[in-house]
Amino acid sequence: NAGVMQNPRHLVRRRGQEARLRCSPMKGHSHVYWYRQLPEEGLKFMVYLQKENIIDESGMPKERFSAEFPKEGPSILRIQQVVRGDSAAYFCASSLQTDYGYTFGSGTRLTVV
Amino acid sequence: GQQVMQIPQYQHVQEGEDFTTYCNSSTTLSNIQWYKQRPGGHPVFLIQLVKSGEVKKQKRLTFQFGEAKKNSSLHITATQTTDVGTYFCLRPETSGSRLTFGEGTQLTVNP
Repeated sequence: NAGVMQNPRHLVRRRGQEARLRCSPMKGHSHVYWYRQLPEEGLKFMVYLQKENIIDESGMPKERFSAEFPKEGPSILRIQQVVRGDSAAYFCASSLQTDYGYTFGSGTRLTVV
Repeated sequence: GQQVMQIPQYQHVQEGEDFTTYCNSSTTLSNIQWYKQRPGGHPVFLIQLVKSGEVKKQKRLTFQFGEAKKNSSLHITATQTTDVGTYFCLRPETSGSRLTFGEGTQLTVNP
């Protein structure tokens, strides 16, 4: 039973390019959360999704960022026209239900040059 | 979401010393979870506390949930170098829509 799979592990993008981060939750988990972590800082909530639905995107910047969790396939966090300030580790977590322990993926380290 | 205050932000100990981190909330929590993140790693779920006054142990780790369910602590007895990392508490919102992490306590252990 594979854990939460995130890819790529490392991603380098030039300013202005697009970044696509993928997250496959644990089998049977229908709740997916995305977090951003800047170096030496805590985990900041971005978005909470269930299959085909965005439940809470209050932590997501209004521009350039979008997320989806389609019926088939992984959840995608998309960052358009990346800037240096987007450089961070992006973690995805999934759970079987709310109020349960959350399983985190290994994260995607995004570097914008 | 409501804030969860975690203290201290940093803690340096000698191997063998004890360590405690605290999470405090201004509002009553339905439950609280604890996670550990090793340097360069990802958060790993440690435990969930649900009941008022609950105490749970995992080897050298002791987790407590306050009687009023507004605070929680994680205590490590006789730290080892393998305990190095950042310990986060997590307050799930009752609606489940947002997970609010404390800022974490970064523990370093000198051998």
